Amino acid sequence: AQSVSQHNHHVILSEAASLELGCNYSYGGTVNLFWYVQYPGQHLQLLLKYFSGDPLVKGIKGFEAEFIKSKFSFNLRKPSVQWSDTAEYFCAVLSGGSYIPTFGRGTSLIVHP
Amino acid sequence: DARVTQTPRDKVTEMGQEVTMRCQPILGHNTVFWYRQTMMQGLELLAYFRNRAPLDDSGMPKDRFSAEMPDATLATLKIQPSEPRDSAVYFCASAFTQGTTEAFFGQGTRLTVV
Repeated sequence: AQSVSQHNHHVILSEAASLELGCNYSYGGTVNLFWYVQYPGQHLQLLLKYFSGDPLVKGIKGFEAEFIKSKFSFNLRKPSVQWSDTAEYFCAVLSGGSYIPTFGRGTSLIVHP
Repeated sequence: DARVTQTPRDKVTEMGQEVTMRCQPILGHNTVFWYRQTMMQGLELLAYFRNRAPLDDSGMPKDRFSAEMPDATLATLKIQPSEPRDSAVYFCASAFTQGTTEAFFGQGTRLTVV
């Protein structure tokens, strides 16, 4: 079965610091990859997605992610975080023709002003 | 602005009572998911419908949980009888799985069973 690992469970940063959140998946075939964000008390919203083409994907709010097939990774990055980026971040993978996204456990990001 | 609508947003109930959560998927979406979110387990898939047919409910405790999709605009998740361990946020999500396949999430139902 597909699995998704998010190694950083909790990240605490100061404003303007750079961010990188790790995401690794286990499936070796064709994948669709997603990052979702969940602000406190809110629902999950799509930050960005990768289906094919350029492995560097740019999303909303200055976020980007890079798909590295050889490493089974899809890490999320932002060069300079803001207090408003405080949220839970989820990596998700669709694989092998499945319609069911598999989610990682999530990474809690706290940004101090 | 198309969105997935869930009701109620919050529900507090006593142990043993029946709880019904409702979801209106985005019009035109053919796939509906029910997820449960807890601190301990994260996001767990409970059930999944495609073209209104239940395709996977292996993540759902069958003895007390049931999920249905009586029509294309309504999905329901029922717990009977409810237990304190069912306390969680329940999310419904919908997707159109013949095009872009990201799932769109509703606001969730926060269930507290006392």
